[in-house]
Amino acid sequence: EDQVTQSPEALRLQEGESSSLNCSYTVSGLRGLFWYRQDPGKGPEFLFTLYSAGEEKEKERLKATLTKKESFLHITAPKPEDSATYLCAVQEYGSSNTGKLIFGQGTTLQVKP
Amino acid sequence: ETGVTQTPRHLVMGMTNKKSLKCEQHLGHNAMYWYKQSAKKPLELMFVYSLEERVENNSVPSRFSPECPNSSHLFLHLHTLQPEDSALYLCASSQGPVDTEAFFGQGTRLTVV
Repeated sequence: EDQVTQSPEALRLQEGESSSLNCSYTVSGLRGLFWYRQDPGKGPEFLFTLYSAGEEKEKERLKATLTKKESFLHITAPKPEDSATYLCAVQEYGSSNTGKLIFGQGTTLQVKP
Repeated sequence: ETGVTQTPRHLVMGMTNKKSLKCEQHLGHNAMYWYKQSAKKPLELMFVYSLEERVENNSVPSRFSPECPNSSHLFLHLHTLQPEDSALYLCASSQGPVDTEAFFGQGTRLTVV
């Protein structure tokens, strides 16, 4: 069964304390892996798409990497405004004609000043 | 003006009521989606429309009925819902289903009493 597992479920950091979020996936063939940020009471906001192992993308304090089994979202020197739930989703080759995304449960990040 | 707009933002309905959720996208996209987000669960895909044609119905009960009159608008008609249907309902759109990221609306928080 296709699965997307994110860890940890929750993470508390001090401002400036760098860390990484993990997204492990098992799909028959990966079409793309997506990272989203979701603030309370709002819809997910797109961050990155990764397509192949070894690919990396950066945006401000965030950097996403991809291997054949997992993706990491590295947060460097986080600020309180980075507090949110980070969602990982995968799209597999079989679903590419419908755009179906399989989501993980998310990691809720809290950054304290 | 946001790219994907959902109305209403909040809805409380009785189990015998009939209501509709509305989604409008201003991005010129060709695919639209309904997702359900329940507490402590990953986002679940409900329906996919591509060029106004339904291409996926992810085993959703018939008390949920989608409608896509054109590529910019998507509705979710609700009738005789159950309390367990209470959740955040998210609409999303993408340029096409292949290799493109989905952009989400703010969601409708539905409570069934």
